[in-house]
Amino acid sequence: DGGITQSPKYLFRKEGQNVTLSCEQNLNHDAMYWYRQDPGQGLRLIYYSQIVNDFQKGDIAEGYSVSREKKESFPLTVTSAQKNPTAFYLCASSIDHRGARANVLTFGAGSRLTVL
Amino acid sequence: DQQVKQNSPSLSVQEGRISILNCDYTNSMFDYFLWYKKYPAEGPTFLISISSIKDKNEDGRFTVFLNKSAKHLSLHIVPSQPGDSAVYFCAASGSTGTASKLTFGTGTRLQVTL
Repeated sequence: DGGITQSPKYLFRKEGQNVTLSCEQNLNHDAMYWYRQDPGQGLRLIYYSQIVNDFQKGDIAEGYSVSREKKESFPLTVTSAQKNPTAFYLCASSIDHRGARANVLTFGAGSRLTVL
Repeated sequence: DQQVKQNSPSLSVQEGRISILNCDYTNSMFDYFLWYKKYPAEGPTFLISISSIKDKNEDGRFTVFLNKSAKHLSLHIVPSQPGDSAVYFCAASGSTGTASKLTFGTGTRLQVTL
């Protein structure tokens, strides 16, 4: 079955450490996204990529970095510069990056990061 | 600045009755609206959408209504089933061509009781 795989599901990090969250899709979707979810808040966009080797900052990109070397993969690195990294992280993709279908996102199951 | 608001954090409805989930938005540039459903420990899944050129879109038990003058949309589920128990997110886009501008509400947790 096609879908998005995020790993790890749970991750604990000490302050000052960088961590990388994996996101892989086998849907052949062009666009990929990273969102962050905090209690009582909607999903907020961190980074997005419309095509391989290209990505743009979302609303809350500070302290995060991404790469898009392959169409299938869009890893997110949470750096030590991110002041409040404890959150639930969701990766998503869409078949196109333009048109109505660009708004229909397929999400992974998420990764919960806790900073100790 | 919360541009998409879901003012009811939770809603409880009896099985077989109608569930009405509400969403308000402030940005008049939004022209495409979606509802996503999320079960615990899973990612959200797309449920239904509506373009600003329409005021109603129906898909089986799910109907979304859009009132542009009031900047309000609602999701109706009829009849409600226990499997509908989930968190529902409203989302809005400034253009059908820019998913990067998708703005989400905070979600409403629906519980359908027997």
